[in-house]
Amino acid sequence: AQTVTQSQPEMSVQEAETVTLSCTYDTSENNYYLFWYKQPPSRQMILVIRQEAYKQQNATENRFSVNFQKAAKSFSLKISDSQLGDTAMYFCAFMKHGGYGNKLVFGAGTILRVKS
Amino acid sequence: DTAVSQTPKYLVTQMGNDKSIKCEQNLGHDTMYWYKQDSKKFLKIMFSYNNKELIINETVPNRFSPKSPDKAHLNLHINSLELGDSAVYFCASSPRGLAGRQETQYFGPGTRLLVL
Repeated sequence: AQTVTQSQPEMSVQEAETVTLSCTYDTSENNYYLFWYKQPPSRQMILVIRQEAYKQQNATENRFSVNFQKAAKSFSLKISDSQLGDTAMYFCAFMKHGGYGNKLVFGAGTILRVKS
Repeated sequence: DTAVSQTPKYLVTQMGNDKSIKCEQNLGHDTMYWYKQDSKKFLKIMFSYNNKELIINETVPNRFSPKSPDKAHLNLHINSLELGDSAVYFCASSPRGLAGRQETQYFGPGTRLLVL
């Protein structure tokens, strides 16, 4: 069974600064996907970024980038130039590759507060 | 232009009642899911369906019965509601990617269920 661990329950960052959220996972699979989802106070689950395990290049989406270390089973999210709108709960998630209907396995989440 | 929609957004009911939550996606996706987010914000898969066929039933009590009349809809019916069923329920959907691989899951806005 896969497990996802987010060791930082809460973090805060000043507006315009950079913050990194940690995530580690455990799996015996070789091919899989990793995701970061954001849940603001509105409750909506919003995809932030996605990484395929077979790709060595780290994914980036504008101010969001990941540091994917497959051997270490680590998948951290870096948010650059933090904005007040980044305040949210961030979930790291794992999904097996292949087949249909595969579940997302989520970490416990990290609450990020961006301060002005 | 809502992608994944759920009704209702809020549901307050008494213990022992039966209730349904509806989910519809207009993205043309083949696979749909139900997730439960508990009071500690932990997210866990309940069910997944691919083209109306049940794929995952993650040890959910049989008081919960999903129904997929077509691949654009996945409804969740809950019998004999209990206090512990209070949670936020999310519907999600995902497309079929290249070579039949499952791709990213997109979430609905969630339904907050409160059982009194």
